[in-house]
Amino acid sequence: AQSVAQPEDQVNVAEGNPLTVKCTYSVSGNPYLFWYVQYPNRGLQFLLKYITGDNLVKGSYGFEAEFNKSQTSFHLKKPSALVSDSALYFCAVTYYGNNRLAFGKGNQVVVIP
Amino acid sequence: EAGVAQSPRYKIIEKRQSVAFWCNPISGHATLYWYQQILGQGPKLLIQFQNNGVVDDSQLPKDRFSAERLKGVDSTLKIQPAKLEDSAVYLCASSLATGGRASYEQYFGPGTRLTVT
Repeated sequence: AQSVAQPEDQVNVAEGNPLTVKCTYSVSGNPYLFWYVQYPNRGLQFLLKYITGDNLVKGSYGFEAEFNKSQTSFHLKKPSALVSDSALYFCAVTYYGNNRLAFGKGNQVVVIP
Repeated sequence: EAGVAQSPRYKIIEKRQSVAFWCNPISGHATLYWYQQILGQGPKLLIQFQNNGVVDDSQLPKDRFSAERLKGVDSTLKIQPAKLEDSAVYLCASSLATGGRASYEQYFGPGTRLTVT
């Protein structure tokens, strides 16, 4: 079965500083990896995904993530955080032929003005 | 394009009562999912439909939860009777038919926040 670990409950960062949200995964076979963002009282919004190809994936709102197979990680990054990036971020994993996404518990990101 | 629609947005019921949630997926999306998101946790898949057939309901508490997707479009999720631990946000998502890379992108509705007292 697939699983995701997001080790930090909350990430605090000053506006304009780089933002990193960590994610490690466990899956049988080649992973398909996703990041979603959730704003209060809203559903999850898709940010980016890794299926195959270049390990550095670029997504919405200036976010990117790097797939590292040896470390089984898929950390989310943004070079310069905005106050509007404050939200709950979820990492998720599945694999070829299986549409069941396994989500992490989420990371609350707080960007301080 | 219109997103995934869900109703109601909020519901408060007493334990042992019944409740139903409705979902309308993105037009053309053959696959529909219901998730349960308990406060402080990530979403957990309850059931997955492909058109009007069930693909995966292994994590659905079938003694009290039921779901249907008649005609392969809209779906309803029902809880009867509700328990206190059912308090959660119920999310509906949809994706293109399984198979192909695009099918792995799931698009979520705003969710229904259920409070059981």
